[in-house]
Amino acid sequence: KQEVTQIPAALSVPEGENLVLNCSFTDSAIYNLQWFRQDPGKGLTSLLLIQSSQREQTSGRLNASLDKSSGRSTLYIAASQPGDSATYLCAGTYSSASKIIFGSGTRLSIRP
Amino acid sequence: NAGVTQTPKFRVLKTGQSMTLLCAQDMNHEYMYWYRQDPGMGLRLIHYSVGEGTTAKGEVPDGYNVSRLKKQNFLLGLESAAPSQTSVYFCASGLADRSYNEQFFGPGTRLTVL
Repeated sequence: KQEVTQIPAALSVPEGENLVLNCSFTDSAIYNLQWFRQDPGKGLTSLLLIQSSQREQTSGRLNASLDKSSGRSTLYIAASQPGDSATYLCAGTYSSASKIIFGSGTRLSIRP
Repeated sequence: NAGVTQTPKFRVLKTGQSMTLLCAQDMNHEYMYWYRQDPGMGLRLIHYSVGEGTTAKGEVPDGYNVSRLKKQNFLLGLESAAPSQTSVYFCASGLADRSYNEQFFGPGTRLTVL
């Protein structure tokens, strides 16, 4: 069974720290891995998408990596800010653009 | 571009009532999706569409119907609402390319069934 797992479910760090969010997947036959941000009461905002042929993608202070052999993806956030507080979800696409498996998310809190 | 929009934003129904949720996208995406998000359950796919006039079942389709008469619109219907359908519903759209199907989400509809 294809599963996507995010541990921990919640994380609290002081402002300014660099941090890593983890995403693991059971099936390495993944076509891409997408990271999203969700603010309370809002929809999901796409942050980064890594195709299976890529190892990483960067956008500003965010860097996402993909290691298919180990079944892991990480989202690195540099110099964290209180505005980064949100829930971060990862999702893997399998077999077709309709076969998308979501993780349950990591709720991130940045303390001022 | 408005991206993906959903109407209504909030709705309260009584058990047995029916309603339709509307999703619209202006990005000319082939694929559209309906998800529900529940605490502790994550996002679950209800139905999806790979193009105008086509629909298919997702993980949790029971109690819902969908239609995609126009490429830019995807409707989700509840014929006889049940309390178990209390949830936040999200619509998303994306390209048909499975290698690059970046998904764009709407703001959600919060539905309560009493």
